[in-house]
Amino acid sequence: EDQVTQSPEALRLQEGESSSLNCSYTVSGLRGLFWYRQDPGKGPEFLFTLYSAGEEKEKERLKATLTKKESFLHITAPKPEDSATYLCAVSGANSKLTFGKGITLSVRP
Amino acid sequence: DGGITQSPKYLFRKEGQNVTLSCEQNLNHDAMYWYRQDPGQGLRLIYYSQIVNDFQKGDIAEGYSVSREKKESFPLTVTSAQKNPTAFYLCASSIGRQGGDTQYFGPGTRLTVL
Repeated sequence: EDQVTQSPEALRLQEGESSSLNCSYTVSGLRGLFWYRQDPGKGPEFLFTLYSAGEEKEKERLKATLTKKESFLHITAPKPEDSATYLCAVSGANSKLTFGKGITLSVRP
Repeated sequence: DGGITQSPKYLFRKEGQNVTLSCEQNLNHDAMYWYRQDPGQGLRLIYYSQIVNDFQKGDIAEGYSVSREKKESFPLTVTSAQKNPTAFYLCASSIGRQGGDTQYFGPGTRLTVL
């Protein structure tokens, strides 16, 4: 059974304090690893898809990386508007998305 | 603008009632999905459809039903058989159902049982 574990559950940062969010996974035949951002009361917003170990993608202050066992979402010099819940999901041989529970990020001004 | 719409945003249901949640997409995507989100849990798949007039059960299909009569539409009915329906419901779509296809989500419907 595919599994996704995200850590920490919650993270509080000062504005400008860079950090990383972790997504550890076990999956049979990785087809893709996905990162989403979710604001309270809204649907998840797509951020990145990673397909193979060693792949990296960047968007503004966010950078996602992938190894064979985990993915990191690096946040450089975060701003208060980066506060949200970040979801990680994997898709394996059965083409089904398995989600982690999410990491709630709070950035203080 | 292309996207996914869900309605209503908030829905209240009395015990014993069936309610239907709407999901429409204009992305020309073949695959559509329904998920349920509860506090402290990851999203869980209820039903999915890869093509018109065909759909499959996900992990928690009991007490739910769907239809896919049009490519653009994938309504979800929460029946009275669903024991604990209060949750945030999310509809998603993807261009296909290959494992690497990105799923895009709608804004969600929050269902509360009175």
